[in-house]
Amino acid sequence: GESVGLHLPTLSVQEGDNSIINCAYSNSASDYFIWYKQESGKGPQFIIDIRSNMDKRQGQRVTVLLNKTVKHLSLQIAATQPGDSAVYFCAERGDYKLSFGAGTTVTVRA
Amino acid sequence: NAGVTQTPKFQVLKTGQSMTLQCAQDMNHNSMYWYRQDPGMGLRLIYYSASEGTTDKGEVPNGYNVSRLNKREFSLRLESAAPSQTSVYFCASSIATYEQYFGPGTRLTVT
Repeated sequence: GESVGLHLPTLSVQEGDNSIINCAYSNSASDYFIWYKQESGKGPQFIIDIRSNMDKRQGQRVTVLLNKTVKHLSLQIAATQPGDSAVYFCAERGDYKLSFGAGTTVTVRA
Repeated sequence: NAGVTQTPKFQVLKTGQSMTLQCAQDMNHNSMYWYRQDPGMGLRLIYYSASEGTTDKGEVPNGYNVSRLNKREFSLRLESAAPSQTSVYFCASSIATYEQYFGPGTRLTVT
């Protein structure tokens, strides 16, 4: 079946640096993508989303880039802070449902 | 505005026991979902309800049943719990099938 995956299961980042989290998707018919952040012991929390007719969208300290040619999605976090330590999931919308990748654990070093 | 609430937060069951996980949302969302999350894995859809009165199977429905009690409430039932159902269960809701809002989760252990 279709799947959404992340390139790296873990990412260690120095506080203050920019983080880039990558995600590959396989369903070329997906029309919507979303990034979630999950802190330990909590439910996933919405970060930012993007529709397939866009290639970039910016939020507060976060930017999502979509490259439909290679079916790649990335999340950029500017000036990474200790509070950004979490698991990050990408998800794609296909068949009116979201499919989630396995997640990337981001650890911020002081 | 509490968002999505789930009860209980923790539960331990013996193999063969039954239980119902409760979920409620106060955002007037049409769609509601149940997921399970296992270590090192993403969220897998168990069942979903696109609107009040409808339910559909997701990726991993075996061993579970659901009830969309009304627009606010969506429950998940384990009729005969098995150790393979040890997991963290999340309920979510959304206006359509876009941004989903998640509850805090129920941590279930089946011994």
